[in-house]
Amino acid sequence: QKEVEQDPGPLSVPEGAIVSLNCTYSNSAFQYFMWYRQYSRKGPELLMYTYSSGNKEDGRFTAQVDKSSKYISLFIRDSQPSDSATYLCAMTGGTYKYIFGTGTRLKVLA
Amino acid sequence: DAGVTQSPTHLIKTRGQQVTLRCSPKSGHDTVSWYQQALGQGPQFIFQYYEEEERQRGNFPDRFSGHQFPNYSSELNVNALLLGDSALYLCASSQGVVFHEQYFGPGTRLTVT
Repeated sequence: QKEVEQDPGPLSVPEGAIVSLNCTYSNSAFQYFMWYRQYSRKGPELLMYTYSSGNKEDGRFTAQVDKSSKYISLFIRDSQPSDSATYLCAMTGGTYKYIFGTGTRLKVLA
Repeated sequence: DAGVTQSPTHLIKTRGQQVTLRCSPKSGHDTVSWYQQALGQGPQFIFQYYEEEERQRGNFPDRFSGHQFPNYSSELNVNALLLGDSALYLCASSQGVVFHEQYFGPGTRLTVT
């Protein structure tokens, strides 16, 4: 069993839709939870992070962490074609050794 | 403010050869980590350098080695290349113990034939 599980998709949604991206994990020592966006053939770009449990909002993006269920989510409101990319969740217990999910490919259709 | 830079962008090597990849961290950052990303997969942690020493290592063989210079830039060396080493190699930089902020470079795409 992988430490971090993420549905690879692809996920196709119409422009303006609310997108929900999720990861589950097995290691209860994880405390920092990050979301990265990666365009094709580019490096990952840090979108948001959450420490421990709770919600965090930044513009159209909301990150949620439920440590009791070992489940994290990223919501994108009013999705745009420019949001089309691969979204990677990453987590760590307090070092720079991030454990990544496989990434979910998102396509927002105009 | 320049972000993380990596060179070269692309590289083609033959099985058995050796390769060196380079990384310059974001201004103000002192820690460099290297990741390998195979096609369709998430990045996998190779190792981390801080104060010119390897501080943490992932599950990669000794063929993978690195170095950090006094100006915080770093190199990743891979010896005896295998076909399976073909991947995007990512460098990430960070500062101190700010574990939630690790910034990635554009990567070096290595193809082993």
